Amino acid sequence: KAGVTQTPRYLIKTRGQQVTLSCSPISGHRSVSWYQQTPGQGLQFLFEYFSETQRNKGNFPGRFSGRQFSNSRSEMNVSTLELGDSALYLCASSLGSTGGFPYGYTFGSGTRLTVV
Amino acid sequence: AQTVTQSQPEMSVQEAETVTLSCTYDTSESDYYLFWYKQPPSRQMILVIRQEAYKQQNATENRFSVNFQKAAKSFSLKISDSQLGDAAMYFCAYSPNNNDMRFGAGTRLTVKP
Repeated sequence: KAGVTQTPRYLIKTRGQQVTLSCSPISGHRSVSWYQQTPGQGLQFLFEYFSETQRNKGNFPGRFSGRQFSNSRSEMNVSTLELGDSALYLCASSLGSTGGFPYGYTFGSGTRLTVV
Repeated sequence: AQTVTQSQPEMSVQEAETVTLSCTYDTSESDYYLFWYKQPPSRQMILVIRQEAYKQQNATENRFSVNFQKAAKSFSLKISDSQLGDAAMYFCAYSPNNNDMRFGAGTRLTVKP
């Protein structure tokens, strides 16, 4: 059974550019969540999608957006990149319907975004 | 606010010994799950163990067990017979029934041969 697949693994972008990250969940998982991981702030919740609907959203500016497709694959987009957006972006899928409850998440290996 | 606190930024253990990682959380919810995740240098977060809040019995997965004290809102992870492959960042996480999963800041575990 394939795991959660995130592409690309590494990305280098320039300030002001925009970026799209992709996540394919485990087959059968309809919930997909995104987290930003940085050394200073740790793991911070971005948003969660279930059946193409955004269920929850974290405290991030509107430059961060996402969507989910009918096959449960998800993308997140960051527009007008800032240096502070450099981070590891983790995607996680779950068999449950909300925030990893009750089964927990299965995580992808993440996309390392560097903004220069 | 629902927060998760890991008070030990770093821990060290000798191979084959036992180590306990601490975690406390704050919530007013009654229905939730608690998790421990491991993040090795490969970056992928791996689920180690989970605990349902309604279950009094502590969860166990091979060498990993938890000490769940609901009233004290404490959820520690015990690793027995530590192995070199256990070296990683360990994150405690709280997941309520109606909101996103919250993570602690993590504990970096070093295993000495």
